[in-house]
Amino acid sequence: EADIYQTPRYLVIGTGKKITLECSQTMGHDKMYWYQQDPGMELHLIHYSYGVNSTEKGDLSSESTVSRIRTEHFPLTLESARPSHTSQYLCASSRGGFSPLHFGNGTRLTVT
Amino acid sequence: KQEVTQIPAALSVPEGENLVLNCSFTDSAIYNLQWFRQDPGKGLTSLLLIQSSQREQTSGRLNASLDKSSGRSTLYIAASQPGDSATYLCAVYAGSGGSYIPTFGRGTSLIVHP
Repeated sequence: EADIYQTPRYLVIGTGKKITLECSQTMGHDKMYWYQQDPGMELHLIHYSYGVNSTEKGDLSSESTVSRIRTEHFPLTLESARPSHTSQYLCASSRGGFSPLHFGNGTRLTVT
Repeated sequence: KQEVTQIPAALSVPEGENLVLNCSFTDSAIYNLQWFRQDPGKGLTSLLLIQSSQREQTSGRLNASLDKSSGRSTLYIAASQPGDSATYLCAVYAGSGGSYIPTFGRGTSLIVHP
């Protein structure tokens, strides 16, 4: 069973606040991903990383940043939260090569 | 750009029925295809991974097939149970230059009623 953890599980914050969503995995996976998912919609890739000090932008990256200082940790930061950021954020990792993705349970963010 | 479509969008069936969920993709140059299950408010749980060189994979009551040339995958659920109620998503893995980016469909929302 995959061990990938996201915190917080739920978050309600006001507009303009800076927030960081945490994602950690204990499997030593090189590849990590952040996705945004609205109810009933497909997952949209925000950022991904293929290893330490490697980060790439996905389709929805313009309003957020990530860092990969350690293999196990891949935090996502919103510099100034807006109501349009209200969504579920999912973190995933994979071992490398063509191995499957493993997902965390997600962070449900509400921006008021 | 890869596009992934899942049909039907929603399905409601009585317990015991055999089900077929469909996933189609526009670019056949894929590495893998993965089927996931998602329960409400949760993350995704991997069900089956089919590599591009394979035709199908089986796990218990689940069987997934892949036809790259036609850009299709099918997830077959045998003898459905209420516990199978969830959203089922497929993800197609493609990329170039060493990248490996999965693209997801919107999913099929399944309800199995007793």
